[in-house]
Amino acid sequence: DAGVIQSPRHEVTEMGQEVTLRCKPISGHNSLFWYRQTMMRGLELLIYFNNNVPIDDSGMPEDRFSAKMPNASFSTLKIQPSEPRDSAVYFCASSLAGTGYGYTFGSGTRLTVV
Amino acid sequence: GESVGLHLPTLSVQEGDNSIINCAYSNSASDYFIWYKQESGKGPQFIIDIRSNMDKRQGQRVTVLLNKTVKHLSLQIAATQPGDSAVYFCAESAGSARQLTFGSGTQLTVLP
Repeated sequence: DAGVIQSPRHEVTEMGQEVTLRCKPISGHNSLFWYRQTMMRGLELLIYFNNNVPIDDSGMPEDRFSAKMPNASFSTLKIQPSEPRDSAVYFCASSLAGTGYGYTFGSGTRLTVV
Repeated sequence: GESVGLHLPTLSVQEGDNSIINCAYSNSASDYFIWYKQESGKGPQFIIDIRSNMDKRQGQRVTVLLNKTVKHLSLQIAATQPGDSAVYFCAESAGSARQLTFGSGTQLTVLP
């Protein structure tokens, strides 16, 4: 099992550009979560999907952020336009309902917006 | 950039000693708790979990204690090793909610 796979590992972009972060959950997992980690705010839940359907996006900071899960094996988090305050590490995690809520996290994408 | 960051509690222990990391939670409806370990440059890694119908659970070298009366959770690591150096997070969820809410973390440093 390759675990949760995120890409890219690092992204440096200029303010105003569009950024797309990608996640492949563990095969068979039916819940997917996007978290953001910063020194200021720690780990914050942005959005989560259950069976590819967005369930709670109340953590998405603003309309510049959007997330999709077109199928069970792929999700994207898009920021358009990006701003320096979006700089953070973005984690994707997946889990299987009924086995407890323990997530498996990916290695994260470190985003720097200059 | 950010000029003010979270002040992570820190714990330094000698290799071989036992470590106790504490966590206070605020949601009295929380009924499921997890401890995660995060090493530098990596994602959080599941260590151990406990449901609210238990007050203690043991794993390999780790024990989680839950005190619902005072809403307190602790992680005990026996015979701490250098590889245990990391940031440790507690996380909680309530009822049917699938999402976890994470605490701010504790930095554990194991001294040789």
